[in-house]
Amino acid sequence: SQTIHQWPATLVQPVGSPLSLECTVEGTSNPNLYWYRQAAGRGLQLLFYSVGIGQISSEVPQNLSASRPQDRQFILSSKKLLLSDSGFYLCAWSARGGRQPQHFGDGTRLSIL
Amino acid sequence: SQQGEEDPQALSIQEGENATMNCSYKTSINNLQWYRQNSGRGLVHLILIRSNEREKHSGRLRVTLDTSKKSSSLLITASRAADTASYFCATDAISDSWGKLQFGAGTQVVVTP
Repeated sequence: SQTIHQWPATLVQPVGSPLSLECTVEGTSNPNLYWYRQAAGRGLQLLFYSVGIGQISSEVPQNLSASRPQDRQFILSSKKLLLSDSGFYLCAWSARGGRQPQHFGDGTRLSIL
Repeated sequence: SQQGEEDPQALSIQEGENATMNCSYKTSINNLQWYRQNSGRGLVHLILIRSNEREKHSGRLRVTLDTSKKSSSLLITASRAADTASYFCATDAISDSWGKLQFGAGTQVVVTP
């Protein structure tokens, strides 16, 4: 069966520090991968999606970036965090080609101080 | 941007009662999906209904889709305390070649024993 792992679960970082959130998927090949951010009590905002290794599309201009160094690994990064980067970050995967259900990790709660 | 909008924003019911929430959207879709999110966790896929389907069932869940009105509803029958969660609709727009999803802001459901 397929599983998705996302870590860390909670992170507290000072303003201006770097960020690296990692997401890995097991049990499937060539998945579509997604990074979302969720503000408190709100829906999901798609940040990045990837249809293959090294193929990243950005949905929202910001100081975040994403990389996909391996087929089932998706990384969300920042060189310098802003207060506005606080939120709940979710990684998800779907079968190749999209138009399928998405399967989510348990998220990372990021607090910027 | 959020295409799906859920109504109501919050719903409080007692165990055994039915819960109904609605989703309206703006553009033509390939499919519409419903997800559940327990507090502080990732989203869990519930049901996918395609644009040529009008109704779908899964256990105690019933989803309807009216493409002429651009709306969908999720009915949870005989609710349980464990159904307490936020429920989101997500649309897969025809105009999106990658099949990315647009999530609504969600309906928060509280089921009291």
